[in-house]
Parts: sequence; C-alpha cells; structure tokens
Amino acid sequence: AQSVTQLGSHVSVSEGALVLLRCNYSSSVPPYLFWYVQYPNQGLQLLLKYTSAATLVKGINGFEAEFKKSETSFHLTKPSAHMSDAAEYFCAVTRTSGNTPLVFGKGTRLSVIA
Amino acid sequence: GAVVSQHPSWVICKSGTSVKIECRSLDFQATTMFWYRQFPKQSLMLMATSNEGSKATYEQGVEKDKFLINHASLTLSTLTVTSAHPEDSSFYICSARPGLAGGYNEQFFGPGTRLTVL
Repeated sequence: AQSVTQLGSHVSVSEGALVLLRCNYSSSVPPYLFWYVQYPNQGLQLLLKYTSAATLVKGINGFEAEFKKSETSFHLTKPSAHMSDAAEYFCAVTRTSGNTPLVFGKGTRLSVIA
Repeated sequence: GAVVSQHPSWVICKSGTSVKIECRSLDFQATTMFWYRQFPKQSLMLMATSNEGSKATYEQGVEKDKFLINHASLTLSTLTVTSAHPEDSSFYICSARPGLAGGYNEQFFGPGTRLTVL
C-alpha cells in the first residue's frame, strides 16, 4: 500500500520568505510523486511531478521539489513566497504503471503574510 | 492538451432527487477515470475507479447503488448521486488517465463539481 504524510496542516510565511512544505511517502514499489495546488472552490492544478528521471524537479510558479529516496521525502520549496501562493497544497503518490489512483496527503494550507 | 471538464460546476438539489455529474476528457481518450470526493478543508478521497466499457470498482465504504458510475465511452464518465441527502453535499472531482501504452501513470483533473443538497 502507498501513503503520503504531509507534516503541518497549516504553514504561514511572510511574503518574500522561503516556502517549505513537507511530504513523506510510503511505498513498497518505486513511486511517482506529485504536488498539486488548489485554490478555493477550484480543482487541482499540477505544480510538478517526479517520474523517476531527475531527482530535483522544477515546476510552475517557481516551485521545485527534490526526491530523496533515503529519506522517503518529496518536499516542496519556493525561494520567495508571493501573496498569490496562498492556497491548499497536496502531495500525492502513485505506482509507476497500471491504472492505479493517486493517494493524497491531507493537504497543507499555505498562508502568506504581507 | 490533456484537458478534463466537468459539468455542472455546481448544483443545488432537493433531498431525495438524483443528480448526474459528467466528466469529459476533451483532447485525449481516457481508458480510466477516477472519481474523488472532497469535504470542506479535507483531502481528496477516492470513491471509485471507472474503466471504459466495464463496471466501476468502488472503494470500501462507498455505496455503489447510491453513487452510480458509467463510463460508456473513452471520453465520458458520469457519476449519478441517487436519492441525494444533505450528507452527500460535497465537492466531487474526477480525473482521467490517458490510454497511452507505456505512458507513465499521470492523471488529469477536472475542475470539480460542488453539490449542495437541501
């Protein structure tokens, strides 16, 4: 079985500060990992994905994440937070093949303070 | 590319009525579609996996007679909430996986449907 743990249900940062959202996964098989962002009353938007190529993955809006197998982590970072980054962020894991669904973490709400 | 639409985007209905939600892959064929449910301030919970031309596979605890899923074509899956009750009020999101041989397991999400049952 696969699972995702997102540490911190709510993270608050100042505008311009580093954003760090933590995600640890559990998987008995090589995983594919994803970060999604969700704005209020909207669907999910893919930020970035790890699909067993480069371990440092760059996504949209200046976000990036690093896959660390030894730590079973896939933390999301952004050097400088913008007000527009305030949203809910979900980390998700799935298998590398097959019609398997995504397993989501509980989400982390990011607040950006002016 | 890889756009998924949902219709309606929001719906309000009376208790006891049925509501149908459509999920369409607009520019690709989706052999598999997934239906998720999201309660306020919570994560997405998988309800069922829908494969084109076959019966849906429901997750434990999801009533298949209440949440009817049909995946009649490679671009359309529908979720019908039968005899809706206020506790069925939620945000329903579908995702679609392209039928790419050898393609990695990425799914594309629809914008969601907000259901409110009065």
